[in-house]
Amino acid sequence: QSVLTQPPSVSAAPGQKVTISCSGSSSNIGDNYVSWYQQLPGTAPKLLIYENNKRPSGIPDRFSGSKSGTSATLGITGLQTGDEADYYCGTWDSRLSAWMFGGGTRLTVL
Amino acid sequence: QLQLQESGPGLVKPSETLSLTCTVSGDSINSGNYYWVWIRQPPGKGLEWIGSLFYTGNTYYNTSLKSRATMSVDTSRNQFSLKLNSVTAADTAVYYCARQATVIAGNWCDPWGQGTLLTVSS
Repeated sequence: QSVLTQPPSVSAAPGQKVTISCSGSSSNIGDNYVSWYQQLPGTAPKLLIYENNKRPSGIPDRFSGSKSGTSATLGITGLQTGDEADYYCGTWDSRLSAWMFGGGTRLTVL
Repeated sequence: QLQLQESGPGLVKPSETLSLTCTVSGDSINSGNYYWVWIRQPPGKGLEWIGSLFYTGNTYYNTSLKSRATMSVDTSRNQFSLKLNSVTAADTAVYYCARQATVIAGNWCDPWGQGTLLTVSS
């Protein structure tokens, strides 16, 4: 069981918007930046969002991130079939001195 | 452009020691503000952090591995390594190496290597 809690799955139609939540505690999300990773089938994870809401070069602005208190959210607008992937949140836990990943959320674009 | 590449045996027998190496190219492993990290993913499951290593040798480990993991760095070869002893079938996974920014530097993992599948079987 992960310290960071994500919904196992979300789904939406092409063109629609979806949000993925990541819930933690004061020692991890509440104390540190959150990052998000996209893992397309059969590939390595890729950094999608860093420092809560920043996008690396090459990541479209359809992807956004936010953080409030001990929770973070990934938003994806204008869904495309190519967005079907597993999405993970991640952050450092200051109390445990350990990196944490959420359990992952599988996005299905219907 | 920074790139990481894992290498390993592919198959290890139960109770033996797993050894993996990550070769870093495009930047020095001595760069400040970054840890070097091992992450694994069992088939069909999520990501599991194994440990993080600074070029000075400072390390953090996932306590769930019960001290079976040891990470080391070879700055002359720009490589870092993972040893995991007393392996069982539960250690079968794709193993990734990645660069991890420190908390002060932003707290993210990027880039990642392509991953290497390690199977534990007799």
